[in-house]
Amino acid sequence: SQKIEQNSEALNIQEGKTATLTCNYTNYSPAYLQWYRQDPGRGPVFLLLIRENEKEKRKERLKVTFDTTLKQSLFHITASQPADSATYLCALSRAAGNKLTFGGGTRVLVKP
Amino acid sequence: GAVVSQHPSWVICKSGTSVKIECRSLDFQATTMFWYRQFPKQSLMLMATSNEGSKATYEQGVEKDKFLINHASLTLSTLTVTSAHPEDSSFYICSATPRGGIHSGANVLTFGAGSRLTVL
Repeated sequence: SQKIEQNSEALNIQEGKTATLTCNYTNYSPAYLQWYRQDPGRGPVFLLLIRENEKEKRKERLKVTFDTTLKQSLFHITASQPADSATYLCALSRAAGNKLTFGGGTRVLVKP
Repeated sequence: GAVVSQHPSWVICKSGTSVKIECRSLDFQATTMFWYRQFPKQSLMLMATSNEGSKATYEQGVEKDKFLINHASLTLSTLTVTSAHPEDSSFYICSATPRGGIHSGANVLTFGAGSRLTVL
């Protein structure tokens, strides 16, 4: 069965450093991969989307890579700030308009 | 930007009673809304896809008679948890794709703030 795995352990990082999160998937061929941020007790908020034929996407301090050979996406937060502390979810879909399947999320804690 | 509003944000009910959660798209129309459930420290699990004017499509393992979904207008979908039991206690989140929410051909979801249900 298809699986989407994110590191379930919290990532503790010092302010100013780069946080790197991974999203691995098996038995799946996604056409699109998205990253969302979720704060406690809130719904997720969209951050970035990358397509299967794209290697890298950037948005301000965020960078996403997508390696369909390794079946992996990396999510980077550069120059991290305490306000970046949240849970980050990756989500995959096979085609445009298809439903999203979410990974378990990785909690990030940026210490000042 | 597009906003999805959920109500109530939290609700406590007795076992055996029914609870209704509303999901509204503010300033945009949503022909399709998605209902997710999230247990503590777990990911979002899609329960059903709500289609305006037609029956909802439920994911495997989700009881359609227990989780009633009504999408009567282009801005409102409701989820009713019928005869709720303690194991139904969870965080229920709805989402929709606003018209401008297509990025590179894919649907990007705008989520509501969620509704926390506690069944005693």
